[in-house]
Amino acid sequence: EVELLESGGGLVQPGGSLTLSCVASGFTFSSYAPSWVRQAPGKGLEWVSTLLSGGSTVYADSVKGRFTISRDNSKNTLYLQMNSLRAEDTAVYYCARYTTSTTSRGVDVWGQGTTVTVSS
Amino acid sequence: DIVMTQTPLSSPVTLGQPASISCRSSQSLVHSDGNTYLSWLQQRPGQPPRLLIYKISNRFSGVPDRFSASGAGTDFTLKISRVEAEDVGVYYCMQATQFPLTFGQGTKLEIK
Repeated sequence: EVELLESGGGLVQPGGSLTLSCVASGFTFSSYAPSWVRQAPGKGLEWVSTLLSGGSTVYADSVKGRFTISRDNSKNTLYLQMNSLRAEDTAVYYCARYTTSTTSRGVDVWGQGTTVTVSS
Repeated sequence: DIVMTQTPLSSPVTLGQPASISCRSSQSLVHSDGNTYLSWLQQRPGQPPRLLIYKISNRFSGVPDRFSASGAGTDFTLKISRVEAEDVGVYYCMQATQFPLTFGQGTKLEIK
């Protein structure tokens, strides 16, 4: 079964740092472009970042320069290092599988999410 | 950035009746490869999003055939032929034609 399992969320003070992890199973992790999407309380979905093949990364303007996406294919794990956190970063962070093929490009698998709360 | 606009934002529907959600993009979603990467997602209460439709009209694995979708260019529609209780939730359109990936605001489907 294809599965994504996030961890690492929690309460952090403004200006602080946090690292999220996402373990993938049931598919060849290295063949896809893993991504992070977040959802603020009571709000819609906001794409955060994607790690494309070849190692190139793309970020939303709202997190560029503060967040870093990375992966460890040997552990089937995706990471999101979040620095200089702000109250507006408070959200459920979903790990998602982004498919780059022309057959079905898009986000097709989602994790359960991990909650990040930025507050003093 | 491509802005995705959904209508309506709320849709009360009677069980067994059809429902329709529209999504409009601020620019064409036709990719340089000729494909249109428009998806529809469902988010049930307390659950993560789930892919329903990809590339305008293709149902994802396990999605009931009462869900259908159509559209082209900048205008797209998701239809549910007969709404069931399990269809309650928020529906999002999403474009993957270019980064940043962007989503519609969401349409809340509820039972009358």
